[in-house]
Amino acid sequence: DVKVTQSSRYLVKRTGEKVFLECVQDMDHENMFWYRQDPGLGLRLIYFSYDVKMKEKGDIPEGYSVSREKKERFSLILESASTNQTSMYLCASSSGLARTYEQYFGPGTRLTVT
Amino acid sequence: GIQVEQSPPDLILQEGANSTLRCNFSDSVNNLQWFHQNPWGQLINLFYIPSGTKQNGRLSATTVATERYSLLYISSSQTTDSGVYFCAVYADKLIFGTGTRLQVFP
Repeated sequence: DVKVTQSSRYLVKRTGEKVFLECVQDMDHENMFWYRQDPGLGLRLIYFSYDVKMKEKGDIPEGYSVSREKKERFSLILESASTNQTSMYLCASSSGLARTYEQYFGPGTRLTVT
Repeated sequence: GIQVEQSPPDLILQEGANSTLRCNFSDSVNNLQWFHQNPWGQLINLFYIPSGTKQNGRLSATTVATERYSLLYISSSQTTDSGVYFCAVYADKLIFGTGTRLQVFP
């Protein structure tokens, strides 16, 4: 079974803090993704990576950066957390160069910025 | 961009009932996936189904790509089926539908 894990289920941070969300997959997938989910707005793509050290912006990259130093790990970084970044963050991975293959999601991190 | 609409938006069932969820999409897509988001927020893969019909236990799905829709069937529903069901289509990225919120009561 594909397994995608995220470092925290719940996280509370203060405005202005630097926040790291970690995601690890165990299936040697090439592609990894970060989404955020908000009521009424659905799931939106923040960033994705199709190879180590490669990254591409999604629909809402502002205020975020990412890091992929190893194939199995993809980190989302909030350089200076703000209250409008309070959300559910979901990581996913998929195999294949086409990037259209089945995506598998982690359990999510509910981040609250106060 | 591609629009993905799901119906109904909300569904309330008694345990044991059957239901059909629909997903319409506005343009040709490379593939389609159905998910169940449980009350804890995790997205669970149900089906990866570009066309045709697949079955997994009490659940089955049919995609008719030429007519731009997919259906998810849930038979003999159980309280553990509660949650939100999403379809998502692959175009240049994964685009999620609006979801169907299902509540199953004993």
